[in-house]
Amino acid sequence: SQQGEEDPQALSIQEGENATMNCSYKTSINNLQWYRQNSGRGLVHLILIRSNEREKHSGRLRVTLDTSKKSSSLLITASRAADTASYFCATDAQAGTALIFGKGTTLSVSS
Amino acid sequence: DTAVSQTPKYLVTQMGNDKSIKCEQNLGHDTMYWYKQDSKKFLKIMFSYNNKELIINETVPNRFSPKSPDKAHLNLHINSLELGDSAVYFCASSQPGLGQDTQYFGPGTRLTVL
Repeated sequence: SQQGEEDPQALSIQEGENATMNCSYKTSINNLQWYRQNSGRGLVHLILIRSNEREKHSGRLRVTLDTSKKSSSLLITASRAADTASYFCATDAQAGTALIFGKGTTLSVSS
Repeated sequence: DTAVSQTPKYLVTQMGNDKSIKCEQNLGHDTMYWYKQDSKKFLKIMFSYNNKELIINETVPNRFSPKSPDKAHLNLHINSLELGDSAVYFCASSQPGLGQDTQYFGPGTRLTVL
């Protein structure tokens, strides 16, 4: 059964604004990862946060993880038109097992 | 120097045909996966192999048969294609342990069954 649920399903913002996407999951996890998918393209790995971590940064990305609430958020600061894509969270129960994906958030950034 | 590659990128075929999708990774990873993304962008695991051995086989029709000739390759063969098989199929690989749990995805194969 599907593990993650992203919120919102769609988000439209202006360039320069921040975008926040949330992800909730149902069972214990090993890691939580965020991926980006541009229209018609493959999945690009953005960031991985381990179950014992609470926050992680990578460039303009900031990910938080709250295992007590079984939720994570992805913040993209100072968004650009090139950030327009679908964003997925994915969890695994242990290393080497399949990722369980959420339904994704479609982000549109207009200039 | 593509990390995970898939061929073909597009596949259009008639119902009832048999087709294969090939996947190769040059990352030296032990574990490979096949995922299916439907028209609503929902991604779901189909199979997982570790060192050529099947680890995960989700509820997938037995018309789908993965084959791993070596740990760098995981091919997907589909018999008697049906309309509902139309989707984008992604191959991925990872090297679990030692903090290397990231899964790297191929560019996808868009299968259209007419």
